[in-house]
Amino acid sequence: QSVLTQPPSVSGAPGQRVTISCTGSSSNIGAGYDVHWYQQRPGTAPKVLIFGNNRRPSGVPDRFSGSKSGTSASLAITGLQAEDEAEYYCQSYDTSLSTSYVFGTGTKVTVL
Amino acid sequence: EVQLVESGGGLVKPGGSLRLSCTASGFTFSRFTMHWVRQAPGMGLEWVACLTSGSDYIFYTDSLRGRFTISRDNAKNSLYLQMNSLRAEDTAKYYCARALQGGDDYNWGAFDVWGHGTLVTVSS
Repeated sequence: QSVLTQPPSVSGAPGQRVTISCTGSSSNIGAGYDVHWYQQRPGTAPKVLIFGNNRRPSGVPDRFSGSKSGTSASLAITGLQAEDEAEYYCQSYDTSLSTSYVFGTGTKVTVL
Repeated sequence: EVQLVESGGGLVKPGGSLRLSCTASGFTFSRFTMHWVRQAPGMGLEWVACLTSGSDYIFYTDSLRGRFTISRDNAKNSLYLQMNSLRAEDTAKYYCARALQGGDDYNWGAFDVWGHGTLVTVSS
């Protein structure tokens, strides 16, 4: 089971703002490790949306933003669009195991 | 075009072995740390293993250490995953992923290029 917890689902109407939380602990996010976010559409590979807590790779719309505080992180999507309907995962690094990159449980975003 | 293409997946009986390959193109493979990440059907992402550009450092998720072996051949721009003693719970799509590296090859701890994945099914 994942050490990073996300809500199973969030939804919003087109144009609205939604946020996805990612709750960790003192051995991962709280230890200062960066949080990264991925979008995965059905049948496709994940795509990095945010790295280093709040940095966007080139080509990712500025509708996507990330933040981190304490043992948690959040991904915000503003101006929600139909194409944003997908699964979203947070990811960080955890020291409770010998060496481990860890993913969140995943959140399904539904555009109403 | 930067690309990763996995191959080698298939149906294997419990206890069997399989070797996955990932061929890279469009970037200098030898400069990057590379990872394997898997996803069981209908489930989330699970990091499997990684190794640094020169294979100096190799890491595995605790639950798979001893059964899986990651390796690379920089001359062939290829990454491998040898999987032994396979179990039903190893059934998943296996993705090859590149470490996101910035200036001076700083490793951000994220994955910026992913292959399409190769499906491994362990069943009798």
